[in-house]
Amino acid sequence: GEDVEQSLFLSVREGDSSVINCTYTDSSSTYLYWYKQEPGAGLQLLTYIFSNMDMKQDQRLTVLLNKKDKHLSLRIADTQTGDSAIYFCAGRMNSGYSTLTFGKGTMLLVSP
Amino acid sequence: DVKVTQSSRYLVKRTGEKVFLECVQDMDHENMFWYRQDPGLGLRLIYFSYDVKMKEKGDIPEGYSVSREKKERFSLILESASTNQTSMYLCASSTPAGSGTGELFFGEGSRLTVL
Repeated sequence: GEDVEQSLFLSVREGDSSVINCTYTDSSSTYLYWYKQEPGAGLQLLTYIFSNMDMKQDQRLTVLLNKKDKHLSLRIADTQTGDSAIYFCAGRMNSGYSTLTFGKGTMLLVSP
Repeated sequence: DVKVTQSSRYLVKRTGEKVFLECVQDMDHENMFWYRQDPGLGLRLIYFSYDVKMKEKGDIPEGYSVSREKKERFSLILESASTNQTSMYLCASSTPAGSGTGELFFGEGSRLTVL
């Protein structure tokens, strides 16, 4: 099955850019997602990218997809303290069900 | 606004007790999921359901069961709670495969402590 790997921790200063990386194993993944989890809360979808796209931009967020290397990244421009959270990468296999496989999450800490 | 509601945010139970975690969604979604989240382990799928009365095992179903009697409600049951089931439990729902983007909508989570 799908395996999704991401680094566990990232620390940046306010105003810098943050880049969170993710690798996945299943080349048939049709959609790839980034979710954000704030302390004590559930997961909220930040953005997603379809497998036939290389890049998607949404305000401060840029998602890059390298299908050859099975590598996905999330760039947050002008990172704010409110961006401190856990970020999960997830992939959806091209199967009959809609299950997603999640990475272990990257904790982003933004310091003033 | 779309909503997945988990009935209890925090529960404290004793070893051996039967525990029910309830989840309701108001989006008329066919699929519903239960994950547990543990530090360093991320999200692990316990069970999911793609239709009323249907259920499928996820990656870690041992010690759990589920019930889906109505489309909007998906319950997770711990028949005899154990301390290693202390965790954050997350419910989610989605549209069927092949429709839309397949994103999961999550509830706020239920933090269960088993003493």
